[in-house]
Amino acid sequence: EAGVAQSPRYKIIEKRQSVAFWCNPISGHATLYWYQQILGQGPKLLIQFQNNGVVDDSQLPKDRFSAERLKGVDSTLKIQPAKLEDSAVYLCASSLASRPGNTIYFGEGSWLTVV
Amino acid sequence: DQQVKQNSPSLSVQEGRISILNCDYTNSMFDYFLWYKKYPAEGPTFLISISSIKDKNEDGRFTVFLNKSAKHLSLHIVPSQPGDSAVYFCAATSGYALNFGKGTSLLVTP
Repeated sequence: EAGVAQSPRYKIIEKRQSVAFWCNPISGHATLYWYQQILGQGPKLLIQFQNNGVVDDSQLPKDRFSAERLKGVDSTLKIQPAKLEDSAVYLCASSLASRPGNTIYFGEGSWLTVV
Repeated sequence: DQQVKQNSPSLSVQEGRISILNCDYTNSMFDYFLWYKKYPAEGPTFLISISSIKDKNEDGRFTVFLNKSAKHLSLHIVPSQPGDSAVYFCAATSGYALNFGKGTSLLVTP
């Protein structure tokens, strides 16, 4: 079974530039998550999709971050304009459903450095 | 506001001994708890979970204990192996998002 695919793995950009990350969840998984993990901290949820609808985006900085999952499968996360504090690993994850007991599977992450 | 706390940033254990990783939480609404393991340059991988209706769950060398009154859970690894060296994240949820602790870096020495 193929895992959660993410690209690019690494990205270095200057502040105020834009960047986009792509995620393809495990086939059949209805729920997709984007997490941000800053060095030395645990992952923090940015946004959760159920199919193509947003379940929770309360911690997404909407002035600069956006995410979409138009066809209910793959998803993109965009940052525009980037700030230095956005340097982090952006983890995409998926699960069959959004209830506990449905294991959440993570991708390898997209590492962003903003200089 | 950190709702899930792992107060030990690191732990070193000898191969064959028991590793005990601790986690505390503050939100009494959490009803499901998970442990994830993370190797460098990889995403977290699910290890073991426990529902709030239980106080113990075991899977091979890994056992998770939950003390609801103390809002505390722990992960026991017996016996510890060098391949267990990784960062371990505790996570908790009340139905939607996982709330993660900051992680504990475990080093198992030969």
